[in-house]
Amino acid sequence: QSVLTQPPSTSGTPGQRVTVSCSGSSSNIGRNPVNWYQQFPGMAPKVLIYTNNQRPSGVPDRFSGSKSGTSASLAISGLQSEDEADYYCASWDDSLNGWVFGGGTKLTVL
Amino acid sequence: EVQLVESGGGLVQPGGSLRLSCAASGFALSSYWMHWVRQVPGKGLVWVSRINSDGSSTGYADAVKGRFTISRDNAKNTLYLQINSPRAEDTAVYYCARHVTLAGLWFDPRGQGTLVTVS
Repeated sequence: QSVLTQPPSTSGTPGQRVTVSCSGSSSNIGRNPVNWYQQFPGMAPKVLIYTNNQRPSGVPDRFSGSKSGTSASLAISGLQSEDEADYYCASWDDSLNGWVFGGGTKLTVL
Repeated sequence: EVQLVESGGGLVQPGGSLRLSCAASGFALSSYWMHWVRQVPGKGLVWVSRINSDGSSTGYADAVKGRFTISRDNAKNTLYLQINSPRAEDTAVYYCARHVTLAGLWFDPRGQGTLVTVS
C-alpha cells in the first residue's frame, strides 16, 4: 500500500482534459514539494512536473500541476494518444526520511 | 548529456548477495545526493535508499534496513547498492536517481534499470 493515494486508472478521449489526484499527509505533501512522473513500459520514470507546478524544458504546456494542503493534482489538456502511460506523484516524507510515491495511475486514451 | 546506467542485476538465491552499480556520466556525481528506487514489474515505485554527496550519511526504507548498503565512489562517478540476504519480495527492477536541488528526484528516462530476481 502506497503512502500517497492515487486513482489506479483514468481515461479520456483525444482532445479531452483529464486530471489525476494525489493525496498525502502533513509529513509529506503538506510540507514538501510534489513531483509528477510519466512512465512507459520498460522505461525509467521521466519528470513531468517538479516542485508542484514547474515543467522541465521539453515537456508540453498541456501538462500542469498544482498543490493545495496535503493534496496535489496533475492535469493533462488536449489529450493525445502518446500520453497513454502510467503517472506517479512523489514527495519527500519528513517522518519516514525518504521519498514516498503514489501507487500510480494508468491513463488510457480511448 | 546526463546519463545513469544501472547494472549488476540478475538471478540470486535467497540468502545470497548481489551488488548493483549505477554509472553516472554528463555530470559530477559528487555534487548530488543519490537514491535507489525499485519497482516490482507491473507495480508502483518504491524508494529504497539514499546517500549524501560525500557518502557520510545514508538512509534506508524499513523493508531493506540491515540488509542493503548504499555507497558511492565519486572518483569513479559510480553509485552502488549491496544487497545481502535477499528475499523473494526484493525481486524488482532497481533504478538509481539523483536529487536535484529544489527539483527533487530525477531519473534518466532512457534508462531501463536493472532487474533483480530472487529465487
